[in-house]
Amino acid sequence: QKEVEQDPGPLSVPEGAIVSLNCTYSNSAFQYFMWYRQYSRKGPELLMYTYSSGNKEDGRFTAQVDKSSKYISLFIRDSQPSDSATYLCATPSNTGKLIFGQGTTLQVKP
Amino acid sequence: EAQVTQNPRYLITVTGKKLTVTCSQNMNHEYMSWYRQDPGLGLRQIYYSMNVEVTDKGDVPEGYKVSRKEKRNFPLILESPSPNQTSLYFCASSLIDQGSPLHFGNGTRLTVT
Repeated sequence: QKEVEQDPGPLSVPEGAIVSLNCTYSNSAFQYFMWYRQYSRKGPELLMYTYSSGNKEDGRFTAQVDKSSKYISLFIRDSQPSDSATYLCATPSNTGKLIFGQGTTLQVKP
Repeated sequence: EAQVTQNPRYLITVTGKKLTVTCSQNMNHEYMSWYRQDPGLGLRQIYYSMNVEVTDKGDVPEGYKVSRKEKRNFPLILESPSPNQTSLYFCASSLIDQGSPLHFGNGTRLTVT
């Protein structure tokens, strides 16, 4: 079993839709969770960073962590074509690694 | 501008010909790391460095070498490249360690024939 699992998609939605991107993780010791966004032919960039269970909001983006079920989500409201990218969840281990999910490719159609 | 710079962006080489991919960061970050990204496999860590002269293996270190002689530079060396090392490579750095936000370079697409 992978330490972080993420459905690779692709996910295609119409502009303005609410998007839900999800990851599960296996190790209950993981405490910090990140979402990275990667545009085509670019390196990933940090989108959101959360520590505790619950929600964290930043503009149209909301990150949610449910530690009881080992489930993390990223919601995008009023999605735009510029949100088309690959979204990667990640969590740091205690051995020098940042463990990434496989990434979900999102396409927002005008 | 704060950035991680990788060179070259694209590289085509032949099996067995030694190559180096350079990585430099201008943010005075302690932590640097190399990843490869392959379809269906995601980002996998090759090597990382917590500080100058300190390097450790990641998940897929076989066939790669790194060095950290200066804080800003973290080159990736392939002594004898093979076709299974054809991939997209990313260098990244962070302020302290893997728990701090990572800043990525724009990648090096390597093809080994």
